[in-house]
Amino acid sequence: DQQVKQNSPSLSVQEGRISILNCDYTNSMFDYFLWYKKYPAEGPTFLISISSIKDKNEDGRFTVFLNKSAKHLSLHIVPSQPGDSAVYFCAAFGSGNTGKLIFGQGTTLQVKP
Amino acid sequence: DADVTQTPRNRITKTGKRIMLECSQTKGHDRMYWYRQDPGLGLRLIYYSFDVKDINKGEISDGYSVSRQAQAKFSLSLESAIPNQTALYFCATSDLGASGKGNEQFFGPGTRLTVL
Repeated sequence: DQQVKQNSPSLSVQEGRISILNCDYTNSMFDYFLWYKKYPAEGPTFLISISSIKDKNEDGRFTVFLNKSAKHLSLHIVPSQPGDSAVYFCAAFGSGNTGKLIFGQGTTLQVKP
Repeated sequence: DADVTQTPRNRITKTGKRIMLECSQTKGHDRMYWYRQDPGLGLRLIYYSFDVKDINKGEISDGYSVSRQAQAKFSLSLESAIPNQTALYFCATSDLGASGKGNEQFFGPGTRLTVL
């Protein structure tokens, strides 16, 4: 039972354009969400997060939007750069401080020069 | 120097062999985790530990065991490796609600394990 889903295995965009990566979740008790980026031969690195009390969080070129009623979040990258090409994982924490992250399957982003 | 290190980085072994993957961290975090990554499945939690005396099973603990030797060290063992344990294994650490970023986890570089 996949509680965090990234239904698009891959995404290809042109340099300079917007990249939109999507994530859906099923558990309404999730209260904190994170995006991680992973390059080949490296571990995932934290990118940006959002609490369930917010609907938007922005950090430079990266913005995460949360739609709690739809149980949906998205990561926007504007403008996209070739160095953004990586696998992006969406992850969620349950309520309370359990420290356990639930990850989505990942979306491979390719930004073409 | 890397904050979270994993050894070995790559390992090829045969079915039935015992394998240990090691993780060390210099971040001073109490919480440590072991995940495996499989294509199309994302990262799945194997075991986690909130302090030296605490060990908890994750969602896919069968066939694995762990040892928390110290705050900085957390090892994962496969007592009798089987081919479907071929995967990329990641260790991660976190603090408790650090820096207002929630429980962000920091990952090691991964161990690629192949079981023939």
